[in-house]
Amino acid sequence: QKEVEQDPGPLSVPEGAIVSLNCTYSNSAFQYFMWYRQYSRKGPELLMYTYSSGNKEDGRFTAQVDKSSKYISLFIRDSQPSDSATYLCAKAGTASKLTFGTGTRLQVTL
Amino acid sequence: NAGVTQTPKFQVLKTGQSMTLQCAQDMNHNSMYWYRQDPGMGLRLIYYSASEGTTDKGEVPNGYNVSRLNKREFSLRLESAAPSQTSVYFCASSVRGQGNPNEQFFGPGTRLTVL
Repeated sequence: QKEVEQDPGPLSVPEGAIVSLNCTYSNSAFQYFMWYRQYSRKGPELLMYTYSSGNKEDGRFTAQVDKSSKYISLFIRDSQPSDSATYLCAKAGTASKLTFGTGTRLQVTL
Repeated sequence: NAGVTQTPKFQVLKTGQSMTLQCAQDMNHNSMYWYRQDPGMGLRLIYYSASEGTTDKGEVPNGYNVSRLNKREFSLRLESAAPSQTSVYFCASSVRGQGNPNEQFFGPGTRLTVL
């Protein structure tokens, strides 16, 4: 079992929809979780990070961690075509190493 | 500030050939990383360097070697390329080697094809 599992999608939604992206993880010994966004043919860039439980909001984006169920979620409100990208969840381990999920490809259509 | 730069952007090799992928960062970061990204596999860590003078294996180190030339530069070498090494390679850097959270900044990637 991979340490971080993520549905690869693709996920297609109309503009303005609320998007829910999800990951599960298998090791409880980690404190930080991150969401990276990767546009086509570009390197990933950090979108936001959160601690091991609770919510964090940044504009239209909300990151949520449910420690009891080992579930990580990213919600995007009022989705825009510019949100079309691959979203990678990651957990932070020792020596600042990150373990990434496979990524979910999101397409927001007009 | 260029951030993390990688050369070359594209490369085609024949099986058995060798090459070195170059990475440099101008953010004075201590830690640097090499990943490969394959469809359905996500980003997988090949090697990392927590600080200048140190390197450690990641998840998929076989077939690769690295050199942390100085604080700025971290190179990845394929001694004898194989078709299984066809991938997109990303270099990343972060501020410190210990502690979290620790944002990693990624380069634009090198697309490598091994025939």
